[in-house]
Amino acid sequence: KQEVTQIPAALSVPEGENLVLNCSFTDSAIYNLQWFRQDPGKGLTSLLLIQSSQREQTSGRLNASLDKSSGRSTLYIAASQPGDSATYLCAVRHSGNQFYFGTGTSLTVIP
Amino acid sequence: GAVVSQHPSWVICKSGTSVKIECRSLDFQATTMFWYRQFPKQSLMLMATSNEGSKATYEQGVEKDKFLINHASLTLSTLTVTSAHPEDSSFYICSATFPGQGNYGYTFGSGTRLTVV
Repeated sequence: KQEVTQIPAALSVPEGENLVLNCSFTDSAIYNLQWFRQDPGKGLTSLLLIQSSQREQTSGRLNASLDKSSGRSTLYIAASQPGDSATYLCAVRHSGNQFYFGTGTSLTVIP
Repeated sequence: GAVVSQHPSWVICKSGTSVKIECRSLDFQATTMFWYRQFPKQSLMLMATSNEGSKATYEQGVEKDKFLINHASLTLSTLTVTSAHPEDSSFYICSATFPGQGNYGYTFGSGTRLTVV
């Protein structure tokens, strides 16, 4: 069974810092990996999706990498802002429809 | 883009009553919808998958008689929590997809916070 782990569980950084969130998964036979943002009590906002054949994706200040063979992905956030404060979830999908979510990293960016 | 609307966003109900949560795809026909729940400080866990016009497929450990899922049309799926108990208090979120939706493939609703008192 696929297990997805995110480290750290919580992170607090001063505004302007660059930071890295980590995601690891046990079964490398994935179809794709997706990073989401979840604000308190809200739904999910998709940030980046990496297909299994890709190594990284970039969107603005966000960069996500994927090393499928080692079962790892990182989300890099450059020049963090208070508005980046949220919980970040990674999720992997196999060829079926089910997402396997990590437990998330709660990020607080201090002004 | 594809939008999924979920209603209500939060609900408080008394123990023993039933609660219905709606998930609507606003600008596309969702052939498949998914229901997840998230307990505090835990990850989102898939509860069930429903295809339009057929019975839902429930994940192991999810009581199908307690969590009734109806996907009667291509734009609406409902989750009814029957005889709710405090341990059913959770954050419920749906997602929807249709063939050819592209790489992202899945759109999530905004979630429903259920509190059973």
